Parts: sequence; C-alpha cells; structure tokens
Amino acid sequence: DQQVKQNSPSLSVQEGRISILNCDYTNSMFDYFLWYKKYPAEGPTFLISISSIKDKNEDGRFTVFLNKSAKHLSLHIVPSQPGDSAVYFCAAKGTNAGKSTFGDGTTLTVKP
Amino acid sequence: DTGVSQDPRHKITKRGQNVTFRCDPISEHNRLYWYRQTLGQGPEFLTYFQNEAQLEKSRLLSDRFSAERPKGSFSTLEIQRTEQGDSAMYLCASSLTGVNTEAFFGQGTRLTVV
Repeated sequence: DQQVKQNSPSLSVQEGRISILNCDYTNSMFDYFLWYKKYPAEGPTFLISISSIKDKNEDGRFTVFLNKSAKHLSLHIVPSQPGDSAVYFCAAKGTNAGKSTFGDGTTLTVKP
Repeated sequence: DTGVSQDPRHKITKRGQNVTFRCDPISEHNRLYWYRQTLGQGPEFLTYFQNEAQLEKSRLLSDRFSAERPKGSFSTLEIQRTEQGDSAMYLCASSLTGVNTEAFFGQGTRLTVV
C-alpha cells in the first residue's frame, strides 16, 4: 500500500511557463511534507517543505500548497527554467518520525 | 566538502558475496538514514540511527542486511549473501534531530549483483 503517490510519471512544460507537480497521501498521521529534486547520478536534494499547520510555503520560484482535507499537495515552479529538468520526489513524515515516505517521482522536462 | 559522503560510488559483486558500504554524514547531524532506490521508484526506507542507536528498521528488510553506527559518526551497511534483487542504489542521508527537519542525501552507492 503506497502511502505517498505521485500519479504523473512525467511532465513537460515550456520554459517560462508554470510547472505544477502533484502528490497525494493516504496516512493521516503525516504532518510534514517535503519536495526533493534529483539529477541523474546524484542523490536527492531538498527543495522546499511545508508543515501541516500551513497551507502554503513559498521560496523564490517554488511554492508548495497543502490541502489537508484532500490529502493533496502540489509544487508550483514559476517561471520554469531548463535547469529545473529533473526528477521531483514528494515525501511525508509523521510527528516525531525520523524516516520520510517517498512517492515514486515525477520527471519534469522544461523545454527551451 | 561538508556534505554526506558515501563510499564506494559503484560496486559490482557476484551473487552470494558480502558487500559493505560506508556513509559519512554531515558532522553536526545526529540522525543518519539508509534508503534503497530502484529504477522508477522513490527512495525506500531501510533503517535509521540517532547517534549510535538504531531506532527503526524496515519490516521489509531481510536479515541479510545489517547496519551499524558504532560511534555515532559514520555508518556501514552490510549485505550478506547478495542476491540479484539487491541490485539498487543505496542512499545515505543525515539530518538534525527535530520535529520538522529535512534530510541531506549523499550521492549513493550503485550496487550491481551479477
């Protein structure tokens, strides 16, 4: 039973446009959510996070939205740049939990 | 470089052999995690340490897998009697202790069992 799901394996957008990556979770105990970005042959790098007490967190071109009632979060990248092309993983943690549970990732391609 | 370091980066081994991987976390981080990633999937949790104590181990983890963090600094992950299904990227990460903290990942060790 996959507790964190990224239903779109891939997404392609034009440079300068908005990229929206989606993530759904099933475990109500999750209260902290993270997005990681991964380039080939590298480990994931932390991008942005959000606590369940918030519904939005913004960091430069990256904004994460959380809808707790729908158990859904999304990552918005505006404007998208070719260097944003990577695999994006959604992850979730419970209170006092050490580990994160990851989705299977969405491959974003930003075309020049 | 003060990031998470993993060694080796690549390992090819014959089925049935034992392998050991090393992870050096960010020095001030007291939590250390091991994950496994296969193609097309996200990182799958294996185990984690807080200082030298192993606090959680995945129920899916075979008894052939063992991890240590003897002095609360570096960690090793050993796989005994490797099988072809063990072929994967093994990722190490570290973090501070806290309610809302992010983990920093190393570049991983790519294991191929032939």
